[in-house]
Amino acid sequence: AQSVTQLGSHVSVSEGALVLLRCNYSSSVPPYLFWYVQYPNQGLQLLLKYTTGATLVKGINGFEAEFKKSETSFHLTKPSAHMSDAAEYFCAVSATAGKSTFGDGTTLTVKP
Amino acid sequence: EPEVTQTPSHQVTQMGQEVILRCVPISNHLYFYWYRQILGQKVEFLVSFYNNEISEKSEIFDDQFSVERPDGSNFTLKIRSTKLEDSAMYFCASSVGGVGLETQYFGPGTRLLVL
Repeated sequence: AQSVTQLGSHVSVSEGALVLLRCNYSSSVPPYLFWYVQYPNQGLQLLLKYTTGATLVKGINGFEAEFKKSETSFHLTKPSAHMSDAAEYFCAVSATAGKSTFGDGTTLTVKP
Repeated sequence: EPEVTQTPSHQVTQMGQEVILRCVPISNHLYFYWYRQILGQKVEFLVSFYNNEISEKSEIFDDQFSVERPDGSNFTLKIRSTKLEDSAMYFCASSVGGVGLETQYFGPGTRLLVL
């Protein structure tokens, strides 16, 4: 069984500030972890993913995430928020079966 | 860049009616999925499909739902008799392989409203 918990349904940051979106997972097998972004009325776009190897993963739009097995975490960060980053962000985990289990999502608001 | 497409983008239907949501996966992908997202809630897995068979389905995917790959390009989700609670955004996804590390590419979704 696998599950994802995203801490904080809403996160608000000022433009230029650090973005930190938290994700903890549970998986009975080594997990594959994903972050997706969803802009209003659009589909899901893959930001980055962790499969194996380097635990710090870089994605698109300046985002990165670090897989920490000891903490069962996969937090998403960006050093400097931009207005265009305002969206909903989903963390997801998949195991061997291919289906993804999503967290509840975090809405990121960026204030000018 | 290849992308997953879905039609229609929006569909309004009356309770009890049948609806068919259509998806065109990326051409060299072999695994296909349907997810749904009820307004304000998380994205939920419905079903995965490979080699013309359902690989896995969730408890949401009951007898009212069916999937089909009627030809070499389309992948459809049919809801036989829609209920109010079927109102949601439905996402199709596809991937090259079926193991968990494969990236699933999502379509833009079909917003279904059941009245």
